[in-house]
Amino acid sequence: EPEVTQTPSHQVTQMGQEVILRCVPISNHLYFYWYRQILGQKVEFLVSFYNNEISEKSEIFDDQFSVERPDGSNFTLKIRSTKLEDSAMYFCASSVGGRNTEAFFGQGTRLTVV
Amino acid sequence: QKEVEQNSGPLSVPEGAIASLNCTYSDRGSQSFFWYRQYSGKSPELIMSIYSNGDKEDGRFTAQLNKASQYVSLLIRDSQPSDSATYLCAVTNQAGTALIFGKGTTLSVSS
Repeated sequence: EPEVTQTPSHQVTQMGQEVILRCVPISNHLYFYWYRQILGQKVEFLVSFYNNEISEKSEIFDDQFSVERPDGSNFTLKIRSTKLEDSAMYFCASSVGGRNTEAFFGQGTRLTVV
Repeated sequence: QKEVEQNSGPLSVPEGAIASLNCTYSDRGSQSFFWYRQYSGKSPELIMSIYSNGDKEDGRFTAQLNKASQYVSLLIRDSQPSDSATYLCAVTNQAGTALIFGKGTTLSVSS
């Protein structure tokens, strides 16, 4: 069964460093998303991406964050200068369509900023 | 601020019983509604989607939607210990470009 894959599964980084989280969405999906979940809290939307541009972003997704689809299969989230409060599980998701279609999540990347 | 509210639980039911999980949402423009299951330390796993008022059944799961009351529910029949998890209610924003999640209800099924 097709699935969304994310790498790495766990990333530890020093505060102020840049990190890139990688995702391979399901191959025939056109919409891509990043969500995060701080330990013990709810899943929060960061950004959605379609046709090589951002279609929606939340207040969390500030200038420190960026997304890119560098090739036909990968979808990346970059955090330029990590803060302690960026420590969370980051989930990539994809869907065939936008409105009214089901989104499937990857297994997540646990980011720990020290 | 658009909100999705769920009772955090824990909801405890014996094996074989029906578990009933509820969710309310604030944005009347939401068009799509989903239930995800999340085991501890894992990612959300889609179990049900519902788009129109009424009931939708899939195996042991039934989702119910009432847009007038802004209410979504999930029934799990013949609950099994493996159903023990946190159940997340998610609704789309008006544009359909993002999911808004509730905090989740923790279900515990005892054998």
